[in-house]
This record gives sequence, C-alpha cells and structure tokens, in this order.
Amino acid sequence: ELKVEQNPLFLSMQEGKNYTIYCNYSTTSDRLYWYRQDPGRSLESLFVLLSNGAVKQEGRLMASLDTKARLSTLHITAAVHDLSATYFCAVDRGETSGSRLTFGEGTQLTVNP
Amino acid sequence: DVKVTQSSRYLVKRTGEKVFLECVQDMDHENMFWYRQDPGLGLRLIYFSYDVKMKEKGDIPEGYSVSREKKERFSLILESASTNQTSMYLCASSTYRDYMNTEAFFGQGTRLTVV
Repeated sequence: ELKVEQNPLFLSMQEGKNYTIYCNYSTTSDRLYWYRQDPGRSLESLFVLLSNGAVKQEGRLMASLDTKARLSTLHITAAVHDLSATYFCAVDRGETSGSRLTFGEGTQLTVNP
Repeated sequence: DVKVTQSSRYLVKRTGEKVFLECVQDMDHENMFWYRQDPGLGLRLIYFSYDVKMKEKGDIPEGYSVSREKKERFSLILESASTNQTSMYLCASSTYRDYMNTEAFFGQGTRLTVV
C-alpha cells in the first residue's frame, strides 16, 4: 500500500523567512504533484515532477524530486502572506492508464506579517 | 483552461436518502475521479474511471457507487446516505495522452451534510 507522509503538518512562519515542506512516500513512483488549497476552495495544481532530479520553480516556491530517496521538497523563499494555504503532495501509483493519486495529509502554512 | 464543474456547492440531505453528485469536465479527459476530504484524513479516493462505462474502486468505496455514461460526466451516488458520509466531495479529471501534463484538475467541491 502506498503511503504518503508530509511534514510538518502545521507551519507558522514570519514573512521574509525561508522554509521547506517535506513529502516522503513508500513505494516507487516517478510522478509527483504539488497542490495548493485555500480555505473553502478546491485544489489548484502547482507543480508536476516527472523524473528523478526534477526541479521546478514558480515565484517564491521551488519543488524538487528525488525518486531514489522517495522524497520531494517544496521550498518557500522569503515567504509572504499570500502564500498562506494548505499544500498537498500527491504521488502517482504508476498505473499506465492515468494518474491515480495518493495524497499526503497536507501542510497548513500560515505566514505572519 | 480545464474546467471541472460540480453540480452543487452545498447539499443537505436526510439519512437514508439516495444522493447524486454530478461532475462534468470539458477537456475530453479520459480519467475521472471522486475523492472525499475530511479534516485530518486528507483526500481519499472513492472511485475512478478510465473510460466511458468503466469504473474501479478506490480506497473507500463502501456505501458509494458511480456512473459514467458519457466521457465528460461522472456521477457519484450515495445509495442510502448516512451521517458518516458528511464530508467535502471533490471530483477531478486528468489525461494520460500527454505525459507532460498528467496532473489532475479538481472541481470546486461539494460540501454534503447528512442529517
């Protein structure tokens, strides 16, 4: 059974600081996704990581994937209040017919002024 | 832009009622999914479908069924609603034709309360 674990589950940080969210998963996969969810809203796709060593950046967020370590990271640089949200990683179970995703528990990020 | 539309944002139903949650996508995606989201439990897959009239159980199918008669529409059915099915339900779709763009796109969610 594929398990996906995120840490921390809750993160409170000051504006301007850097931090990293970790996503560990238990079985082999080379496709990993990061999503953002604002309160009361649905999930928005942030990054698609498709191979070992993949790194993607958008604004103050950078995501990476190490398939050998079964680890993905979401790094936040110089946080701003607008980044406050819940962040989910999701791992593809690897079936050829499509992306059947297993989600982590989510990391609730609060950026304080 | 991909659009996944769920028929209701909020629903209140009585215990024992049969409940239909509808989802439509406009991107000709092959895959469609139903998840439920509960505090502390994250998103859990209920059912998914790779093609019309095709369905497969996810991790928590008990008490649910699905229907996919057309490619763009995927319905979740609660045969006899119970209070433990009170939750946020999220529909999603994705494609496997484009390897670089396989992420799932989500609808806005339906918050179902069973009383």
